[in-house]
Amino acid sequence: EIVLTQSPGTLSLSPGERATLSCRASQSVSSSYLAWYQQKPGQAPRLLIYGASSRATGIPDRFTGSGSGTDFTLTISRLEPEDFAVYYCQQYGSSLLTFGGGTKVEIK
Amino acid sequence: QLQLQESGPGLVKPSETLSLTCTVSGGSISSNSYYWGWIRQPPGKGLEWIGTIYYSGSPYYNPSLKSRVTISVDTSTNQFSLKLSSVTAADTAVYYCARLNWGSAPYFDHWGQGTLVTVSS
Repeated sequence: EIVLTQSPGTLSLSPGERATLSCRASQSVSSSYLAWYQQKPGQAPRLLIYGASSRATGIPDRFTGSGSGTDFTLTISRLEPEDFAVYYCQQYGSSLLTFGGGTKVEIK
Repeated sequence: QLQLQESGPGLVKPSETLSLTCTVSGGSISSNSYYWGWIRQPPGKGLEWIGTIYYSGSPYYNPSLKSRVTISVDTSTNQFSLKLSSVTAADTAVYYCARLNWGSAPYFDHWGQGTLVTVSS
């Protein structure tokens, strides 16, 4: 089973700043099989990125996914007030799915 | 517009079986390239994948829950279901149903709003 480790656990930033979130896998993951989600309090997660770098429908271009192998990154170029939330990565491998533990992006 | 809605008891006693149903509307559960899954989130914690099923195939389960989980599909009602047996307080969580898009890559593109299930006597 592939374990996803997200870092940092919490990121304290101000609106307008750049956010860089890391997702590290315990084994190599096919880039096609890595996705990112955003979750706000009391809401279901929302798909942001699939295939490591493809934005989902309606996702602003300030969200960028990158990476390969065991190291993946979600970058938010300039934080907007609505971007403060928890972010999860998710992978698929050998018929199993796993989520990372999440990174909380909070207002500094 | 595809919508998913979870339904079922919000309170389950320890050692009993948790049963939830997800009703899919605005689309067919028998569509190609789509699987259907359950994910849960204990209060204040992260997401945990429970299992996934294709309308005409065998389900896949999280190994840590496999011995207690059953996921099934009913194409006649456009629903899929989750059963989790022998529950304990550790199974208290918000349970989400979601569609797994398997066109080019596996990702959950539509989610239900979630339903809180509390395990308590």
